[in-house]
Amino acid sequence: EVQLLESGGALAQPGGSLRLSCTTSGFTFSTYTMNWVRQAPGKGLEWVSGISGSGGTTYTAGSVKGRFTISRDNSKNTLYLQMNGLRAEDTAVYYCAKKPSNTGEYYFDSWGQGTLVTVSS
Amino acid sequence: SYVLTQPPSVSVAPGQTATVTCGGNNVGRKSVHWYQQRPGQAPMLVVYDDSVRPSGIPDRFSGSNSGDTATLTVTRVEAGDEADYYCQVWDTSTNSVVFGGGTKLTVL
Repeated sequence: EVQLLESGGALAQPGGSLRLSCTTSGFTFSTYTMNWVRQAPGKGLEWVSGISGSGGTTYTAGSVKGRFTISRDNSKNTLYLQMNGLRAEDTAVYYCAKKPSNTGEYYFDSWGQGTLVTVSS
Repeated sequence: SYVLTQPPSVSVAPGQTATVTCGGNNVGRKSVHWYQQRPGQAPMLVVYDDSVRPSGIPDRFSGSNSGDTATLTVTRVEAGDEADYYCQVWDTSTNSVVFGGGTKLTVL
């Protein structure tokens, strides 16, 4: 069974930093593209970033480009999101989501339960 | 950037058919994927590649895509289908995932 467990969400100051983690099990982590998707309170889904299985290719939404960095450690089956220069509008639940293959159509067949990031002074 | 437009809400009586639309410029040329998000829960994939249901999704859920509109249809609607539904595509021009704004399905 695929399991995705996010952690690292917290209250952060504007301009501050946080690192989110997503620990995984139940599948061969290194062969799948992984992603972060966020949802602001009461709002819709917003894709944040994706990274290929090898880590060699990344994609990032314009709203966070230059501030957020996605990475992965295939030896630990773990996905990360380094968030710098946090803003109030980054307040959201952050979900880890798995793409069904490293190639083919881009969608998400498994999701974690999410971790809450709150940016406020 | 590419935009997907969904109606904010759809209401239907139990046992009836709900239709959720997702509009986008020539969206019929893209693969559209649909997610269900019940209150307080993570999203769940209910249709991918326009019309394919993942294992475990009831055949009451179906999808279609043509022209400028993709559609998620839920037949014989049940109380448990009450949720937010999101469509999603991959935008090749910006190498990014695009979600629609979401549609709240209310079962009367």
